[in-house]
Amino acid sequence: AQSVTQLDSQVPVFEEAPVELRCNYSSSVSVYLFWYVQYPNQGLQLLLKYLSGSTLVKGINGFEAEFNKSQTSFHLRKPSVHISDTAEYFCAVSYQGAQKLVFGQGTRLTINP
Amino acid sequence: DTEVTQTPKHLVMGMTNKKSLKCEQHMGHRAMYWYKQKAKKPPELMFVYSYEKLSINESVPSRFSPECPNSSLLNLHLHALQPEDSALYLCASSQGLAGAPGRNEQFFGPGTRLTVL
Repeated sequence: AQSVTQLDSQVPVFEEAPVELRCNYSSSVSVYLFWYVQYPNQGLQLLLKYLSGSTLVKGINGFEAEFNKSQTSFHLRKPSVHISDTAEYFCAVSYQGAQKLVFGQGTRLTINP
Repeated sequence: DTEVTQTPKHLVMGMTNKKSLKCEQHMGHRAMYWYKQKAKKPPELMFVYSYEKLSINESVPSRFSPECPNSSLLNLHLHALQPEDSALYLCASSQGLAGAPGRNEQFFGPGTRLTVL
């Protein structure tokens, strides 16, 4: 079965520190990869996506992610976080030919001053 | 316009009520989705409409009834709900075009916060 694993349910970091949120997926076919952010009491907003091409993807709000096919990973990074980055982050995978998105369980990013 | 709108933002209903959630997009997308999201959990897919036809029903109880009147609108009719149905209901849309690499990039609305008493 296709699955997405976000290895950390919670990640606390200090403001202006770097952060990495980890995501691994299971697949033997082509995939499209997404990171969504959900601020409290809001819907999901797309941060970035990997469809094809360069494995380093840049998104909004200073976030970037790297697609690693051999390790089936798509980790999200930001070099310096802000209080406003406090949110829930979801990694999602779409498998070629499928209509569904498969979501990870989410990582709660908490920024401490 | 890259927005998915949902109304109402909040809804409180009793177990005997009938209510509807509404979702609208004007991006020309041909696939639309309903998700249910409980606190601290990822969204759970409920229904998918593709070209205005129901293509996926994830074994959702019949007290939830989706409807797609046209390519821009998606409704979710609610009847005889249970308190455990209280959740954030999210609508999303995507291009839905076969063969396009970004066809499954989904754009989400802000959600309707539903409380069943």
